[in-house]
Amino acid sequence: GAVVSQHPSWVICKSGTSVKIECRSLDFQATTMFWYRQFPKQSLMLMATSNEGSKATYEQGVEKDKFLINHASLTLSTLTVTSAHPEDSSFYICSAREWGVTQYFGPGTRLTVL
Amino acid sequence: DAKTTQPTSMDCAEGRAANLPCNHSTISGNEYVYWYRQIHSQGPQYIIHGLKNNETNEMASLIITEDRKSSTLILPHATLRDTAVYYCIALGGGADGLTFGKGTHLIIQP
Repeated sequence: GAVVSQHPSWVICKSGTSVKIECRSLDFQATTMFWYRQFPKQSLMLMATSNEGSKATYEQGVEKDKFLINHASLTLSTLTVTSAHPEDSSFYICSAREWGVTQYFGPGTRLTVL
Repeated sequence: DAKTTQPTSMDCAEGRAANLPCNHSTISGNEYVYWYRQIHSQGPQYIIHGLKNNETNEMASLIITEDRKSSTLILPHATLRDTAVYYCIALGGGADGLTFGKGTHLIIQP
């Protein structure tokens, strides 16, 4: 149990385009989902927290107009990187939590912006 | 969430028990000790968590000292697939996102 999927697993896009990443909880209802990113040789950094049906809460320094998060259902959250630039190239990872404290992570999406 | 301190790296022979320490001297009474691991280029994997009592599951055992200021994750029979970065995180019951430190890079040697 507690499986989280992400799609796509990797994506390459041109600078200036937008990219959408999906995060799904497959066998539980996720009241809260989280988005992290990880640059090479660094630890994961929390970007934002989203609760189903509510606006996401962004961490300091994360541009909410650039990283659009939608958590429209209890099993799906999406992260859209708008007008992507090479500095947005990173490993994006989501996690999901049901009612408890434990978060379960997706496999990650590697974004490369050319 | 309380700060945790872990060794940067550790080696362990395949088939032996791997004991990964973590210090969390400022942990508060409602904070759990969580362990995750991240194998290269994958999302973190949940391993185990505990509050006061020692815990065991199919992956590992977690030993928490009586004063809760430190803990040890034990992988009883390490395999090469256990090579990963292991993160110890103190997390309150109502907490939101996880704060990842640098973790311990565990290398299992054949």
